[in-house]
Amino acid sequence: EAGVAQSPRYKIIEKRQSVAFWCNPISGHATLYWYQQILGQGPKLLIQFQNNGVVDDSQLPKDRFSAERLKGVDSTLKIQPAKLEDSAVYLCASSLNRGGSSEAFFGQGTRLTVV
Amino acid sequence: TQLLEQSPQFLSIQEGENLTVYCNSSSVFSSLQWYRQEPGEGPVLLVTVVTGGEVKKLKRLTFQFGDARKDSSLHITAAQPGDTGLYLCAGHHNAGNMLTFGGGTRLMVKP
Repeated sequence: EAGVAQSPRYKIIEKRQSVAFWCNPISGHATLYWYQQILGQGPKLLIQFQNNGVVDDSQLPKDRFSAERLKGVDSTLKIQPAKLEDSAVYLCASSLNRGGSSEAFFGQGTRLTVV
Repeated sequence: TQLLEQSPQFLSIQEGENLTVYCNSSSVFSSLQWYRQEPGEGPVLLVTVVTGGEVKKLKRLTFQFGDARKDSSLHITAAQPGDTGLYLCAGHHNAGNMLTFGGGTRLMVKP
């Protein structure tokens, strides 16, 4: 079974530029999460989708971050314009959420450096 | 603001020593998960504890869920260099399938 795919693996941009990250979850997983992980810290939830609907985006800085999950499968996370403090690893995860299984499967993440 | 507090944040020990990592919250969770993350990779699930007071063992790792389902601990016996990594606890709510992570404990086991 293929895991969660993310791209790109690495991205370096200048502040005020835009960037987009892509995530392909495990087939059949209804729940998709985007987390931001700053170096040395635990993952912080940015947004959670259930199919193509948003469950929680309370910690998403909506003035600069946006995310969508078209057709309830792939998802993109965009930052426009980027700030220095956005430098972090952006992790995508998916979960089946059926039959009591709540395990989240993570991609390798996209490491963003804003200079 | 992290709803889950992990302690210690950092731990450096010698091979063969025992250690315990704690995960505390004021919230009650449907279940609590422990993940391990290696550099350049995403977190990988180690175990899920569901019932208050539950104890699960995974080789040299012992996980316990508090009676009130608000806290958990991870105990490693005779740590090995291969145990080095970032250990994350995550509280799960069945309603909405919400998963919230703690700040993590970075463990280094020296040979």
